[in-house]
Formats: sequence, structure tokens, C-alpha cells
Amino acid sequence: AQSVTQPDIHITVSEGASLELRCNYSYGATPYLFWYVQSPGQGLQLLLKYFSGDTLVQGIKGFEAEFKRSQSSFNLRKPSVHWSDAAEYFCAVASGNEKLTFGTGTRLTIIP
Amino acid sequence: NAGVTQTPKFRVLKTGQSMTLLCAQDMNHEYMYWYRQDPGMGLRLIHYSVGEGTTAKGEVPDGYNVSRLKKQNFLLGLESAAPSQTSVYFCASSYATATYGYTFGSGTRLTVV
Repeated sequence: AQSVTQPDIHITVSEGASLELRCNYSYGATPYLFWYVQSPGQGLQLLLKYFSGDTLVQGIKGFEAEFKRSQSSFNLRKPSVHWSDAAEYFCAVASGNEKLTFGTGTRLTIIP
Repeated sequence: NAGVTQTPKFRVLKTGQSMTLLCAQDMNHEYMYWYRQDPGMGLRLIHYSVGEGTTAKGEVPDGYNVSRLKKQNFLLGLESAAPSQTSVYFCASSYATATYGYTFGSGTRLTVV
């Protein structure tokens, strides 16, 4: 069965520092991979997705993610975080065509 | 540009009461989903629909029923609410297959006392 692991429950980063959020997936075929962000009290917003081609994917709000098949990973990165990036981040994989399977999320705290 | 709209946004129920959560989308999306979000557990799929008139069970369907009589609406019902159903419920839709990604509603916070 498809699964997604986000090993970091909570990460704290200083404003202006770089960020990397980890995501590992388990899926037999070529995966469709997604990153979503959830601000407090809000729904989830799509940051970026990967399905083929260039393994480095650019998204909104200055985020990017790199697909590494050999490591079954799809880590999210940002060169310099802003206080407004504080949120919860979810990685997801398409489980066949019908649904997405989500990780348990990583909560990001930004300190001044 | 409404996207996915969930009603109500908040609700408190007593154990044993029933209620229906409504999800409406105006994007002509084929697929619709209901998830619940609980601390430390991420999002878990309750039920979903791949088109008008269809429904399917997800990961945690017990205690819930759904209907998709119209393409734009997906209803989630709780026939006899239990405290274990206290959660935040999210509706989502997808243009066609899930590989397109989801558009989410803003959620319904349900408390069962």
C-alpha cells in the first residue's frame, strides 16, 4: 500500500534561514507527489506537485522540491524563510488515480 | 471565485445527535472527498466520490454516510454522533483523477459532547 512518511513532527527555524522539510514515500510505480501548506484555522493550499520530467520542481511562495527516486524522497526547500511561512506542511502521494495519501505533517515555527 | 465551500464552519453536537455537513464546489470537478484531521494523525480519508451518483469508502468510513446526488455537492452525514467523531472535517475536490491534486475547503470544526 502507498504511504508517506514525514519524519519531523516539528521544526523551528530562524527567520531568514534556509529550510528543508523531509518526505519519504512508498509507491510501486512512478509517483505523483504533492506538497500542501495549512495555515492555522485554514484549509490546505497546494504548494507544488511532481509527476514527471525535471526532478526539481518550483512552487508558489518561493518553495521548491526535489524528487529523488533512489531515496524515495521528495523534500521541500526554501532558501530563506519568512515569518509568514509558519504553518503545517503536508506531503502527499497519489494512490493510483482515485485518491491522495497524506503524511502526518510537519509543523514549522519561525523565530525572529 | 468560491472554489470549495463547506457549511457549517463550527458545530457542537450532543452524543447520539445527527447532522449533515455540506460541501459545494463550483469548479465542475469530477472527484470529491471527505477527510478528517486529528492531531498527530494527518488527514484520513472518510469517503470519496469519483462522479455524480457514486461513492466509495476510504480509510475510516465507520459511523459516516455520504451522498453525491448532484455533481457540485457532496454531503457527509453522521447518523449518531460519538465523541470519537470530534475532529476537523475537510472537503476537497479534484478536476478529474487525484493526480491533478486537490482543492480544499476551509474546514468544519465539529465537537461532540
